[in-house]
Amino acid sequence: NAGVTQTPKFQVLKTGQSMTLQCAQDMNHNSMYWYRQDPGMGLRLIYYSASEGTTDKGEVPNGYNVSRLNKREFSLRLESAAPSQTSVYFCASSETPTYGYTFGSGTRLTVV
Amino acid sequence: LAKTTQPISMDSYEGQEVNITCSHNNIATNDYITWYQQFPSQGPRFIIQGYKTKVTNEVASLFIPADRKSSTLSLPRVSLSDTAVYYCLVGRKPGGSQGNLIFGKGTKLSVKP
Repeated sequence: NAGVTQTPKFQVLKTGQSMTLQCAQDMNHNSMYWYRQDPGMGLRLIYYSASEGTTDKGEVPNGYNVSRLNKREFSLRLESAAPSQTSVYFCASSETPTYGYTFGSGTRLTVV
Repeated sequence: LAKTTQPISMDSYEGQEVNITCSHNNIATNDYITWYQQFPSQGPRFIIQGYKTKVTNEVASLFIPADRKSSTLSLPRVSLSDTAVYYCLVGRKPGGSQGNLIFGKGTKLSVKP
C-alpha cells in the first residue's frame, strides 16, 4: 500500500518563485493536513481539510494556499517563496480526525 | 487547545523500559491523548492513543491517571531502533468546534548499546 504520497521529495526555489507541493492518499481518508517542520520546532500545522470541499487555516497559514482537489488529493501552493519557507513539509491524512494520522515521507524545500 | 510539556531528551540502554511523561494540565473533556514516533527524514508514525486509564498495544502502553493532566508512554525493552523523537499530542476533531493535532517539540529518545 502506498499510503500518503508526496511529490517532489526535494526542491530548491529562488525567492519569489512559486510552486505547488502535491499530496495524494489511497486510504479513502476524509481528512488531510499539511505540516511544516523546522529544526527544533516540531511540526506546525499550515492548513487542513476536514472533508472534501472544505479547508481551514492552521497555526502558520501565511504565505500558503491549499486546494482539496478531490478526496484523494490535497495540494499546497507557495505563490511567492521566501527564505523563511525553507522547511520540510509533511502531508498527512486520517479517517477519523483524532485517530491514526498517516504521514507522507516529506518534501524538503529550500528557498534561496 | 491544550498545551503539552514533555522532556526535550532522554537516554536509555537497550533492554530497558522507557517511560516518557507528558504534562497537559489544560486538557479538555473531549480531548484524546495521542503519541507519535518520528525517525530522521521520515514523517511521524502513530503509536498509541487513549482517553483514560491504560491502553496497550503491540508497541507500547499508555498510562493516564484519573485527572488526565498527564500521561506516560511506556516502551518495554527498548532497542537501538527505538531511537527517535516521540510526540505527545492532545486534541479534538478537526471540522468540529475546534481542533487539529498540535505537535510540540517532542522528546528525543537515544537508546545506547
